[in-house]
Amino acid sequence: QFQLQESGPGLVKPSGTLSLTCTVSGASITSYWWNWVRQPPGKGLEWIGEVYHTGGTKYNPSLVSRATISADKSKSQLSLRLSSVTAADTAVYYCARGHQKGSNSRKFDFWGQGILVAVSS
Amino acid sequence: QSVLTQPPSVSSAPGQRVTISCSGSTSDIGNNYVSWYQQVPGTAPKLLIYDNNKRASRIPDRFSASTSGTLATLDITGLQTGDEADYYCVAWHSRLSAMVFGGGTRLTVL
Repeated sequence: QFQLQESGPGLVKPSGTLSLTCTVSGASITSYWWNWVRQPPGKGLEWIGEVYHTGGTKYNPSLVSRATISADKSKSQLSLRLSSVTAADTAVYYCARGHQKGSNSRKFDFWGQGILVAVSS
Repeated sequence: QSVLTQPPSVSSAPGQRVTISCSGSTSDIGNNYVSWYQQVPGTAPKLLIYDNNKRASRIPDRFSASTSGTLATLDITGLQTGDEADYYCVAWHSRLSAMVFGGGTRLTVL
């Protein structure tokens, strides 16, 4: 059964670094781009960026200076690091499967359940 | 402020039809595929529509979508109370090189 599961600390101190992992089970992470999306409490969805298993990445221009997304094919894991966090980074963070490499059919067809990360001292 | 513009809320009665709009530009909707998502509060979003008008797996044909120029629309017919949720449109923005979301539309089935 194909599943995505986010994990990581639920609380990060201001100015610190948020670090999350998404474990993909039931399928290989090759052939697809993998995304991180976040949602502040009571607000809409925001795309953070995407990664391909060979290391290619794309980022939201508003977060590119602070976000780093990577993939570990051997572990079927994706990672997100967001530096210099503030209260505005408090959100539910989702990982989601994106489009196939070479395709322009961009969509998020499978999502993790999400993990709430609060930024607070 | 979202790149794609959606109405904050829409409402209709059970059994009726509702349309949710998503307005963008030639950098996104006008030249790239749109997808639509349903999010019941407290749960992860679910893909409804991709490539402008293709229903995702196991999505009933009560849900349909289309695009015209820089406007995308999602239609839901035969409304059910279980359709109450937030709906989001998404598209690739060629100039920003980023996926952009609409602000979301809360559907209330009265």
